[in-house]
Amino acid sequence: AQSVAQPEDQVNVAEGNPLTVKCTYSVSGNPYLFWYVQYPNRGLQFLLKYITGDNLVKGSYGFEAEFNKSQTSFHLKKPSALVSDSALYFCAVREGSSGDKLTFGTGTRLAVRP
Amino acid sequence: SQTIHQWPATLVQPVGSPLSLECTVEGTSNPNLYWYRQAAGRGLQLLFYSVGIGQISSEVPQNLSASRPQDRQFILSSKKLLLSDSGFYLCAWTLDRGIPYTFGSGTRLTVV
Repeated sequence: AQSVAQPEDQVNVAEGNPLTVKCTYSVSGNPYLFWYVQYPNRGLQFLLKYITGDNLVKGSYGFEAEFNKSQTSFHLKKPSALVSDSALYFCAVREGSSGDKLTFGTGTRLAVRP
Repeated sequence: SQTIHQWPATLVQPVGSPLSLECTVEGTSNPNLYWYRQAAGRGLQLLFYSVGIGQISSEVPQNLSASRPQDRQFILSSKKLLLSDSGFYLCAWTLDRGIPYTFGSGTRLTVV
């Protein structure tokens, strides 16, 4: 069975500083990995994905993530945080069987202080 | 372009009343469709998914059911709501494993 772990309930960072939101996964076979962001009372918005290829993937709003197969990690990063980045972030892994079900982590709340 | 519509945005229902939430997708054909529930503003739980008309897979036993009467329509229902059915319900679609899910804007259900 596939699973995703987001070990931090909340990450606090000052505006302008780099940020990292951690994610580790467990899946049989090659993983399809995704990051989503959710603002209050809204649906999830896609940020970036890793399917194959370059281990560093770039996404929306200046976010990037690094796929590390040996550590089974897919951490989300941004060089310089903005207050508007404050939101709930979800890592997810996709199963290759029928239905292509997406399994989500429990989410990490990012708080960027001015 | 593809869009997904989910309604209503908010709903307050008494315990024991029926429920019907609707999700429709435009601009694509034969999508995979999903219903998720988010409790307490955090984790997402997959409730149902569908790979075609009339094909419904349930992930967890519960008081809810789903139907897909048309290719791009996915309905979440209950005959009698429980307090524990309260939550934020999200519909999503995709075409295949390489394409990210697109989520609807969600329905906030409060059972009182």
